[in-house]
Amino acid sequence: GAGVSQTPSNKVTEKGKYVELRCDPISGHTALYWYRQSLGQGPEFLIYFQGTGAADDSGLPNDRFFAVRPEGSVSTLKIQRTERGDSAVYLCASSSMAVGAGDTQYFGPGTRLTVL
Amino acid sequence: GESVGLHLPTLSVQEGDNSIINCAYSNSASDYFIWYKQESGKGPQFIIDIRSNMDKRQGQRVTVLLNKTVKHLSLQIAATQPGDSAVYFCAERGSSYKLIFGSGTRLLVRP
Repeated sequence: GAGVSQTPSNKVTEKGKYVELRCDPISGHTALYWYRQSLGQGPEFLIYFQGTGAADDSGLPNDRFFAVRPEGSVSTLKIQRTERGDSAVYLCASSSMAVGAGDTQYFGPGTRLTVL
Repeated sequence: GESVGLHLPTLSVQEGDNSIINCAYSNSASDYFIWYKQESGKGPQFIIDIRSNMDKRQGQRVTVLLNKTVKHLSLQIAATQPGDSAVYFCAERGSSYKLIFGSGTRLLVRP
């Protein structure tokens, strides 16, 4: 079936603007994760949803970052008043969490955000 | 993206040889470990995983070894192929299922 999809694939914005990044998880996956990957580094955890609720948002760097998953499927990562330091690839992953299905996280292709 | 691996340690191997990529993890309480492969411009791709009650797990051409005593993980790739060229990350599962990634190793396969 289809994997995790993310839109847009690239986003260029100006400092101070607001952006939204979208993630469509694998159908039926109840868990959804957002990570951020800076140049030459491994992904860093931002937030984890189980269903509609944020089970762990300890990785969000500050209150300019917010994420929602209102119907337990698609998620949107929102960044207010963007700064140049927010430039990175934002990755989304999902996992089944069903009994016997394992909890392997499958990643989407990412959204490359560039803040000018 | 295409710049992943710019400042990462690099392992260069001859096509057909075996590759061993090593990783040290940080939390002795971690119970689940995963290896991901990341090609330029793509998201991480799951390769193989291992739980802490095991010390070895084999897949197709890949083997993961776990040494909990020294908190070390390795990925062995048999008969390395040009398509194996990528950046490889190990990850450990922390609290609440979040993954904590290592710094990554770039694998270059020489034809």
